[in-house]
Amino acid sequence: NAGVTQTPKFQVLKTGQSMTLQCAQDMNHEYMSWYRQDPGMGLRLIHYSVGAGITDQGEVPNGYNVSRSTTEDFPLRLLSAAPSQTSVYFCASTGQGFYGYTFGSGTRLTVV
Amino acid sequence: EDQVTQSPEALRLQEGESSSLNCSYTVSGLRGLFWYRQDPGKGPEFLFTLYSAGEEKEKERLKATLTKKESFLHITAPKPEDSATYLCAVLYNAGNMLTFGGGTRLMVKP
Repeated sequence: NAGVTQTPKFQVLKTGQSMTLQCAQDMNHEYMSWYRQDPGMGLRLIHYSVGAGITDQGEVPNGYNVSRSTTEDFPLRLLSAAPSQTSVYFCASTGQGFYGYTFGSGTRLTVV
Repeated sequence: EDQVTQSPEALRLQEGESSSLNCSYTVSGLRGLFWYRQDPGKGPEFLFTLYSAGEEKEKERLKATLTKKESFLHITAPKPEDSATYLCAVLYNAGNMLTFGGGTRLMVKP
């Protein structure tokens, strides 16, 4: 099925560990983004990409890295996990017309 | 400051009791206002995009409207399966990504 696929669905990390959250879309969308969702804070933009090789920072980029080597994939890297990064992470994509962003099912991350 | 505010934060309805959710925005150069539905443990599901004041869109029991300052999501004769969190988001100026409001949690009792 066409859409946005995120892996893993759940992850527990220890403080200081690093990991990569995977995001892939098969709709040939140019625009991809990462959001985090926290109770009472809504969805906040971490990083985004407007095409392969182009990335930029969103509202809350500290502690995260991204790269976009292909149109399909947009991984999010946590460099040194902190308890403040405990959250649910969503990847989203859209095409040129911005008709509607498609979201993945999320990764629930706990940092202990 | 650019803002998107949703109200109320939570809404309890009886089945069949119609109501409206509000999304007010203070951004310049609105290019689109988006409504999403989010069920617990899932990602947001796209409902509507509105592009200009006066525009309306409908889907089953939901109708979204847009003015120059706010959008309403009207729910007519809701059913328990309409229970979810409803999110609105805006695309504005030269930006390419969505700015979200805090959401309205809707609970419909049978």
